Amino acid sequence: GEKVEQHESTLSVREGDSAVINCTYTDTASSYFPWYKQEAGKSLHFVIDIRSNVDRKQSQRLTVLLDKKAKRFSLHITATQPEDSAIYFCAASASGSWQLIFGSGTQLTVMP
Amino acid sequence: GALVYQYPRRTICKSGTSMRMECQAVGFQATSVAWYRQSPQKTFELIALSTVNSAIKYEQNFTQEKFPISHPNLSFSSMTVLNAYLEDRGLYLCGAREGRDEQYFGPGTRLTVL
Repeated sequence: GEKVEQHESTLSVREGDSAVINCTYTDTASSYFPWYKQEAGKSLHFVIDIRSNVDRKQSQRLTVLLDKKAKRFSLHITATQPEDSAIYFCAASASGSWQLIFGSGTQLTVMP
Repeated sequence: GALVYQYPRRTICKSGTSMRMECQAVGFQATSVAWYRQSPQKTFELIALSTVNSAIKYEQNFTQEKFPISHPNLSFSSMTVLNAYLEDRGLYLCGAREGRDEQYFGPGTRLTVL
């Protein structure tokens, strides 16, 4: 079955710098890649997603890149702010299936 | 907007007892509901996928006998943890979706087992 690996378990950046979180997946049939944010003690909050028909999607300070050949996708956050601090989870699901397989999470800390 | 509510938010039960948790979708039709468990180590495990008018599909390591699920209509689902033990503790999340759209998550039910 699908496996999603999230490479950075922790990431610390200074306020205003950029942060990049990388994930890889194994199933070539995966076609939907959402990112979620979880603040301390809270549930998952949808952040941004990308489908396999594009290789880049941007929403304000967030950009997702998808490299289907390498089976890799990444979340880029520019001009980070302390409120960006949270655990970020990547996920993948195959076309026609909406079962999400999650990565293990990256604790992002933005230092003032 | 689309919202998902979960009840209760926190619950404590004695080892060997059972507890039921509920998930309610507001503002959209939850044709599919997935139940996940986030362990203390923070990883997410899919327990089961429920689609209205279809059989509920359980993932490996999870069974209907242990985690019976009801999904009677397009706005409500419930799951029971039967004979809860220490390894069942964690945050149980309900994710609901209408068709192929984005999956919305509830705030979770945090289960503590004594």
